[in-house]
Amino acid sequence: SQKIEQNSEALNIQEGKTATLTCNYTNYSPAYLQWYRQDPGRGPVFLLLIRENEKEKRKERLKVTFDTTLKQSLFHITASQPADSATYLCALVLQTGANNLFFGTGTRLTVIP
Amino acid sequence: NAGVTQTPKFQVLKTGQSMTLQCAQDMNHEYMSWYRQDPGMGLRLIHYSVGAGITDQGEVPNGYNVSRSTTEDFPLRLLSAAPSQTSVYFCASKLPRGGEQYFGPGTRLTVT
Repeated sequence: SQKIEQNSEALNIQEGKTATLTCNYTNYSPAYLQWYRQDPGRGPVFLLLIRENEKEKRKERLKVTFDTTLKQSLFHITASQPADSATYLCALVLQTGANNLFFGTGTRLTVIP
Repeated sequence: NAGVTQTPKFQVLKTGQSMTLQCAQDMNHEYMSWYRQDPGMGLRLIHYSVGAGITDQGEVPNGYNVSRSTTEDFPLRLLSAAPSQTSVYFCASKLPRGGEQYFGPGTRLTVT
């Protein structure tokens, strides 16, 4: 069966450290992988997109890697701040069909001052 | 630009009642979709549309209907609400192909 798993439900990290979140998938052939941030009571907000033929993408303090052999994406937040505390969701966009997004269950990140 | 708007923000229904969740976007996106979000389950796709007059089922379509008469609007109808439909519902629209998806603020629905 198809699955998208994010490494843990919750991750606590000290301010200033690098947070690393993992997204693993099985039985999907994604054309793109996206990361979203969701704050309590709000809709997800797009952060980054990486294509299947790209290994790494950066945006300010964010870095995403994508390994289609391992079927895994890593999402890094460097120099983390309390304002980075949120739930982070990965989503796959498939190569075929209507380009629907399929989401993982998310990791709740807490950055401790 | 208002982005994606949803109404209402909160709703309580009794089992068997019907209602329509409204969704509108002002970004001229062809693709729109509805998700439900439940604890531990993540976001699951209910229905989607790739343009006016075209709709299709997602992962969990049972109990829900949609229509798309204009590019801007994509309402979700619950014909006979059940407690299993208690959830937070998000409408979204996106750019073509792998483009980023824009979400509305959500509707929290409780069915008693």
